[in-house]
Amino acid sequence: AQSVAQPEDQVNVAEGNPLTVKCTYSVSGNPYLFWYVQYPNRGLQFLLKYITGDNLVKGSYGFEAEFNKSQTSFHLKKPSALVSDSALYFCAVRDGENSGAGSYQLTFGKGTKLSVIP
Amino acid sequence: ETGVTQTPRHLVMGMTNKKSLKCEQHLGHNAMYWYKQSAKKPLELMFVYSLEERVENNSVPSRFSPECPNSSHLFLHLHTLQPEDSALYLCASSPLAGSYTDTQYFGPGTRLTVL
Repeated sequence: AQSVAQPEDQVNVAEGNPLTVKCTYSVSGNPYLFWYVQYPNRGLQFLLKYITGDNLVKGSYGFEAEFNKSQTSFHLKKPSALVSDSALYFCAVRDGENSGAGSYQLTFGKGTKLSVIP
Repeated sequence: ETGVTQTPRHLVMGMTNKKSLKCEQHLGHNAMYWYKQSAKKPLELMFVYSLEERVENNSVPSRFSPECPNSSHLFLHLHTLQPEDSALYLCASSPLAGSYTDTQYFGPGTRLTVL
């Protein structure tokens, strides 16, 4: 079974400071990991994904994420936060061990609310 | 968000009403999904369609009935809903059917309130 945890319900950071939103996962096979962002009254927007290769993945709007297999983590980072980054962030995982209909299954975390303070 | 559109954006209905949610994707994708997003809970996958064939139904009550007439359109028919069904209903699409590396692209959602 696949699962993902976002241990922080809320993260507050000052504008211009680096930000980190944490995510840990559990899978049986190879993990396929995703980050999405949701602004108020909007759907989820894709930020980046890890499939294979380089552990540091770069995505949209200056975000990046680091895959750490030994710690089963995929934390989202940005060197300098903007007020406009304030939103709800979701980590998601798909288990490469799944087959058939299970290969569609993308399991999401509960989300982390990021507030960037001016 | 113009890649996946959803209508209506907001819907208020009584428990005895029948209504439908519509989703349309303009991305040429082959798979479409319905999710339910409730406050303080992870996204719940409801239905998956691949090439217009339903491939996943995650124990969703029969008062929710999906329809996928072609690869660009997806409907969710609602009848005799309960107040606990109030939520944001999200539609998504992805390029390939059953690919581990697939990215799902989401619509803006329909905010449903059941009175």
